[in-house]
Amino acid sequence: SYELTQPPSVSVSPRQTASITCSAENLGQKYVSWYHQKPGQSPVLVIYQDAKRPSGIPERFAGSNSGNTATLTISGTQAMDEGDYYCQAWDGPTSAVFGGGTKLTVL
Amino acid sequence: EVQLVESGGDLVQPGRSLRLSCTTSGFTFGDYSMNWVRQAPGKGLEWVGFIRGEAYGGTPEYAASVKGRFSISRDDSKNIAYLQMNGLKIDDTAVYYCTRLIGASGTPYFDYWGQGALVTVSS
Repeated sequence: SYELTQPPSVSVSPRQTASITCSAENLGQKYVSWYHQKPGQSPVLVIYQDAKRPSGIPERFAGSNSGNTATLTISGTQAMDEGDYYCQAWDGPTSAVFGGGTKLTVL
Repeated sequence: EVQLVESGGDLVQPGRSLRLSCTTSGFTFGDYSMNWVRQAPGKGLEWVGFIRGEAYGGTPEYAASVKGRFSISRDDSKNIAYLQMNGLKIDDTAVYYCTRLIGASGTPYFDYWGQGALVTVSS
């Protein structure tokens, strides 16, 4: 089965840039979405189709995907950006896969 | 405003059945595929399955971990999606999220999520 690998945790200082990676074989040939989940809340879509931002998501969120790695980049990170981030892709047209999640801490 | 509201979560014994409902509003339900994702306590997200909109056959797809035990259905007249869970196991304990699935084949994503329903499987 197809597996997406994320680092368990990432730390960043306020107003700095955070990068969260998601890796898998030939991931660049698939579309990746990213979801942000704060404690006790439902996940929220922050990036879809590798690099597109839904309405209402701040411009500081950006995505890229090439080779074996997709990256979520948060510029000017704020305290409100803390939480868990999950990447997601499709293993064929009928099976979705999530990464294990990355806990972002803003120190 | 798009809204997804799950209901039906409960404490059930292993081997028993439970049905979750996802009541929706704010969009044309029949035009979309509907999807379920679960999250065990303290764990990450796990895809459960989805059901296509009627225009695409209304057929479901399932994760290997639930195939044969869970079934997804929809009632377009009521704007509700269902997750029927049979033969529940302790490992099925999780918050179950209903999501809307948007996008063409190969590029779909989950754009709206419900608040989740807690299913606890325990003797």
